[in-house]
Amino acid sequence: AQSVTQLDSHVSVSEGTPVLLRCNYSSSYSPSLFWYVQHPNKGLQLLLKYTSAATLVKGINGFEAEFKKSETSFHLTKPSAHMSDAAEYFCVVRWNTNAGKSTFGDGTTLTVKP
Amino acid sequence: DTGVSQDPRHKITKRGQNVTFRCDPISEHNRLYWYRQTLGQGPEFLTYFQNEAQLEKSRLLSDRFSAERPKGSFSTLEIQRTEQGDSAMYLCASSLATLGQRMNTEAFFGQGTRLTVV
Repeated sequence: AQSVTQLDSHVSVSEGTPVLLRCNYSSSYSPSLFWYVQHPNKGLQLLLKYTSAATLVKGINGFEAEFKKSETSFHLTKPSAHMSDAAEYFCVVRWNTNAGKSTFGDGTTLTVKP
Repeated sequence: DTGVSQDPRHKITKRGQNVTFRCDPISEHNRLYWYRQTLGQGPEFLTYFQNEAQLEKSRLLSDRFSAERPKGSFSTLEIQRTEQGDSAMYLCASSLATLGQRMNTEAFFGQGTRLTVV
């Protein structure tokens, strides 16, 4: 079955240190991949997307992610965490461009300590 | 504001009652999606529309659930005979897919309707 796995349910970093949120997916195809962020009482906001162009994707607020087909991974990184980055992050897979359905991972809660 | 809007934002209902939620997508978007999110989980796909046609339904969408998009614009999601297990955040999203469906933008999400069944 097609699945999306976010390897850490919680990540805690200190302000100013790097962030790494890990995501793996199962698929024999090249899907479209997204990262969304959800702040408390706010809607899901797109951080970045991969749609078969450059494998290193830059997003908003200094986040970026690298698509590695051989590892079926799409990890999210940021060089220096800010307090405002504290939120829930979701890795999302659309198994092909045509698909209506997207599959979400279970999410990673990012805590940023002062 | 030209984003996806959902109404109501919160709904508390008694078990056994029917509820209806509304979603207004971004105006030029031809695809509309419904997802359900429970505490500590990622959103789960329920169904989606291409214009007024409902193209896919998840097995999560029991026969108590029905969704419509009568004119290809706004959509409604109705839950009949609500159960406590229906308590969740119901999210709507929209996107634009080209005629040939070789391109489909990312989904833009509304803030959701939080349903509590007591």
